[in-house]
Amino acid sequence: DAGVTQSPTHLIKTRGQQVTLRCSPKSGHDTVSWYQQALGQGPQFIFQYYEEEERQRGNFPDRFSGHQFPNYSSELNVNALLLGDSALYLCASSLGGGGYTFGSGTRLTVV
Amino acid sequence: QQPVQSPQAVILREGEDAVINCSSSKALYSVHWYRQKHGEAPVFLMILLKGGEQKGHEKISASFNEKKQQSSLYLTASQLSYSGTYFCGTEYLIQGAQKLVFGQGTRLTINP
Repeated sequence: DAGVTQSPTHLIKTRGQQVTLRCSPKSGHDTVSWYQQALGQGPQFIFQYYEEEERQRGNFPDRFSGHQFPNYSSELNVNALLLGDSALYLCASSLGGGGYTFGSGTRLTVV
Repeated sequence: QQPVQSPQAVILREGEDAVINCSSSKALYSVHWYRQKHGEAPVFLMILLKGGEQKGHEKISASFNEKKQQSSLYLTASQLSYSGTYFCGTEYLIQGAQKLVFGQGTRLTINP
């Protein structure tokens, strides 16, 4: 049973560029949440998608946007990249009120 | 809104016990516990719902005090494999939707 799959695993972008990260949830899960994790910190909640709609959002600017597709997969888009956006981006899937299954993350470096 | 974990770091010898605490200033829907090893994704350990329940997972158990909005994770007779950073995630119900917010983590080091 495949878990959560994220792509790409690593990414280097230039300041001001745009980036798209992708996530395939665990089979049977219908909810996808995105987190940003800086080195040595806890994951910070970006937003959550359910039934193709953004259901909850954390304290992130509008440069961060997302999408969920009918097959429950999801994308995270970040526009006008800043150096401070460099981090590990984690996708987590869940079903109902159960525990979250995390992907291995995408390491984004902005130079 | 972010839960507060304590202590920030713990160093134990194999076989010793540890307690990690998590507290929130807001009413909680549930509490999650995760362990993250260096360079890996967080791994789900357990979830505790309102009602003051206690759960166990091998030698790792947890409690949830709804009145105090606090949860504690208990690691008994620690093993080398328990090393890692432990995160509590507090889940809130906002306009009918759940939101999981993580604490800053507790780094646990188990030495032989």
